[in-house]
Amino acid sequence: QKEVEQDPGPLSVPEGAIVSLNCTYSNSAFQYFMWYRQYSRKGPELLMYTYSSGNKEDGRFTAQVDKSSKYISLFIRDSQPSDSATYLCAMSGGGSNYKLTFGKGTLLTVNP
Amino acid sequence: EAGVAQSPRYKIIEKRQSVAFWCNPISGHATLYWYQQILGQGPKLLIQFQNNGVVDDSQLPKDRFSAERLKGVDSTLKIQPAKLEDSAVYLCASSLAGSGVLLYEQYFGPGTRLTVT
Repeated sequence: QKEVEQDPGPLSVPEGAIVSLNCTYSNSAFQYFMWYRQYSRKGPELLMYTYSSGNKEDGRFTAQVDKSSKYISLFIRDSQPSDSATYLCAMSGGGSNYKLTFGKGTLLTVNP
Repeated sequence: EAGVAQSPRYKIIEKRQSVAFWCNPISGHATLYWYQQILGQGPKLLIQFQNNGVVDDSQLPKDRFSAERLKGVDSTLKIQPAKLEDSAVYLCASSLAGSGVLLYEQYFGPGTRLTVT
């Protein structure tokens, strides 16, 4: 079993839809959870990070972490064509176990 | 603020040849990372530098890959000799610090796309 599982998609939605992106993980030591967005031919850019369980909101983006289920989500409200990209989840144990472990990424297309 | 710079952007070489990639991190960022991203996969950390010292190179194939960070600023990643399975995007990232929450605010460059034929 891989440490981080992420459905690669592709996921295609109409403009304005609510998008749900998810990752599951197996390592209970993970404490920091991140979402990166990667446009084609570009490097990833950090969207949000959360520590431990709970929700975090930033504009149209909401990150959720459920450590009991080892499940994290990213919701995008009122999706826009400019949101079309690959979304990567990443996580780390923190402290001496700082290394980021990435999911494979989900390719999202928002159609106008 | 200028971002992370990488060159070249694209490189095509034959197997068994050597290749080098260059990275210039964001000014003031003490920590520099090299990642390998194979098509359809997430980035995998190859090596992490804190200033000009190596913090972690546990996933670097040391028989063929080497990296250095000159004077704690620029960095070069070399592959010699290249294999077909080295075809990937090599991403450089930097962060202000190598510990604490600042570790996770990593800023990535555009990457170098390597094709080994």
